[in-house]
Order: sequence, then structure tokens, then C-alpha cells
Amino acid sequence: GEDVEQSLFLSVREGDSSVINCTYTDSSSTYLYWYKQEPGAGLQLLTYIFSNMDMKQDQRLTVLLNKKDKHLSLRIADTQTGDSAIYFCADGAGANNLFFGTGTRLTVIP
Amino acid sequence: EAGVVQSPRYKIIEKKQPVAFWCNPISGHNTLYWYLQNLGQGPELLIRYENEEAVDDSQLPKDRFSAERLKGVDSTLKIQPAELGDSAVYLCASSLDASGNTGELFFGEGSRLTVL
Repeated sequence: GEDVEQSLFLSVREGDSSVINCTYTDSSSTYLYWYKQEPGAGLQLLTYIFSNMDMKQDQRLTVLLNKKDKHLSLRIADTQTGDSAIYFCADGAGANNLFFGTGTRLTVIP
Repeated sequence: EAGVVQSPRYKIIEKKQPVAFWCNPISGHNTLYWYLQNLGQGPELLIRYENEEAVDDSQLPKDRFSAERLKGVDSTLKIQPAELGDSAVYLCASSLDASGNTGELFFGEGSRLTVL
């Protein structure tokens, strides 16, 4: 079956860059996504990338995709305390068929 | 615009009791999803509705779980009887339209179930 793996925890100092990594197994994924979950809240889509792209930038967020290695990363520049949350990588062919990873808990130290 | 609304936020019950969760999706969203999120895990799809039709319920444990979306708007998810292992957060999500959708799901805050 599909497998999406992430490291469980990441701590960074405020102002530094954060890099959250994800590996996936389904080579047929059309899109890859990053969702953010703040404490006590539902998930919120941060960004997504088409599988035929290798990079997408959106303000402080940079997504890198290495299709050959099935590796996805999310870089957050100038990380702020408000970025503390759980970040989920997901792959799929669209909303119908999302498969989420276990999530990476990002802690930003002031 | 109101987001996805779920209730109750928290529910504590004893094992073997029934429990029901309610979800009101974003107005105009045809597709509704129920996800299960265990502690420390990512969400896992239980069931997906397109309007009132359940189009993917392959992961729903049908011996004790049931769901309905009678008028294609609100939905309820029921567990009867609940077991200890059902303790989790039940997330509802909606999206505008499943076809051609790039994957933006709008999630509710979830209903946290504790079974004692």
C-alpha cells in the first residue's frame, strides 16, 4: 500500500529556516501537498505542487520535489513562533484520494 | 463565510455505548469526507460523499460504524457500540467538487472521542 513518511519532531530557533522532509511511495501521485494543523484545530492546506514540477515558492514557503527519489520538502524561511504546528505531507490524485503522512511537529524556540 | 462545523468537540463515553458526530460542510461544497485521526498519526479516510451518495466507504468498519448524508448537506457519523480503540479525533472535511479538484480540503476542528 501507499506509505508517506515524515520525521516526527523538529525544533528551530525563531528567525532560522525550517526544513520538513517527506518521502512517499506512490509514483502515480498527481499532486503533493503540505497541510498545517495548529493545536485543537483542523488541517489547513498550506501549499501543493504538481508532480511535474520540481519547485514552488510562495512567500516564506518553498516546496522542493525530487520525483526520482520520491522526496518532498517544505522550507519555511524566517520561522516565527506562529509557525509552531504539525505539518502533514500528503500525496494523491486529487481530493478524492489523499494519503497523509504521520505529521512533523515543528516547535519554534523564541 | 463559515467554515466546516462539527459537534460535539469532545465526547467521553463508556465502552459499548453509542455515539454520534455531526458535520455541517461549507455551503455549496458537494463533497464531504469523514477522516479518523489517531494520536500521533495523520488522518485516514473513513468515507467520502458526493452529494448524498457514499462513493468511497471502503475503509469504514461497517460492523459498528455508519454514516449518512440524507439531503446532501449535513452528515452524521455513528459508532455503535463504541470500543476502547475508537478513541480518536473524527475529522470532517469538505471540498467544492471532487472532479478536477487539486486537493484542497477544508477541515473542521474535529470531534475528540474518549472511550472509557
